[in-house]
Amino acid sequence: NAGVTQTPKFQVLKTGQSMTLQCAQDMNHEYMSWYRQDPGMGLRLIHYSVGAGITDQGEVPNGYNVSRSTTEDFPLRLLSAAPSQTSVYFCASSPDVWNTEAFFGQGTRLTVV
Amino acid sequence: DAKTTQPTSMDCAEGRAANLPCNHSTISGNEYVYWYRQIHSQGPQYIIHGLKNNETNEMASLIITEDRKSSTLILPHATLRDTAVYYCIVGTGTASKLTFGTGTRLQVTL
Repeated sequence: NAGVTQTPKFQVLKTGQSMTLQCAQDMNHEYMSWYRQDPGMGLRLIHYSVGAGITDQGEVPNGYNVSRSTTEDFPLRLLSAAPSQTSVYFCASSPDVWNTEAFFGQGTRLTVV
Repeated sequence: DAKTTQPTSMDCAEGRAANLPCNHSTISGNEYVYWYRQIHSQGPQYIIHGLKNNETNEMASLIITEDRKSSTLILPHATLRDTAVYYCIVGTGTASKLTFGTGTRLQVTL
């Protein structure tokens, strides 16, 4: 039972490079989301999706793109990485039911130099 | 979503009950109270949630005051593995659209 799987676990980018953080879940959850966590802070919502083909912005969407072509996958794209995007990124998923629990991946630690 | 206030840090002796408070004085009638924890820098882990009745599961108990303006998470017999940051979150929407504060850092000691 894999749950929510994020790859890679660690990544170092140079300023201006692009990359995609991968997130996959095997629980057939409709809702998926991306958060970032900066040192000493709580998680902040970047983008979320309520189903395949549907995405929306969260609290801190600038500099990030998402798409949701399948129920299982929700990749997060950094088009031109900046040092301010150095953070730990978490993906989460939950069923298509309000007021239930979310399942989180183990995170991707991204450093932009 | 309503805002929550939690103490920055707390200590608890191993084997004792850990009682973590949370104030959410602006909570509205249809908002639930969720608790998550984050051990080290791992992904947050769901603990429990409730609307107005007290809730208990295998991990913890959640006590919500009658006016719903505050709640307490109780870990009945804390162990060293319960050392973590505990987040109290209030909201109505999908569990994947949560507003995290800075939480309470619980240190369980021998």
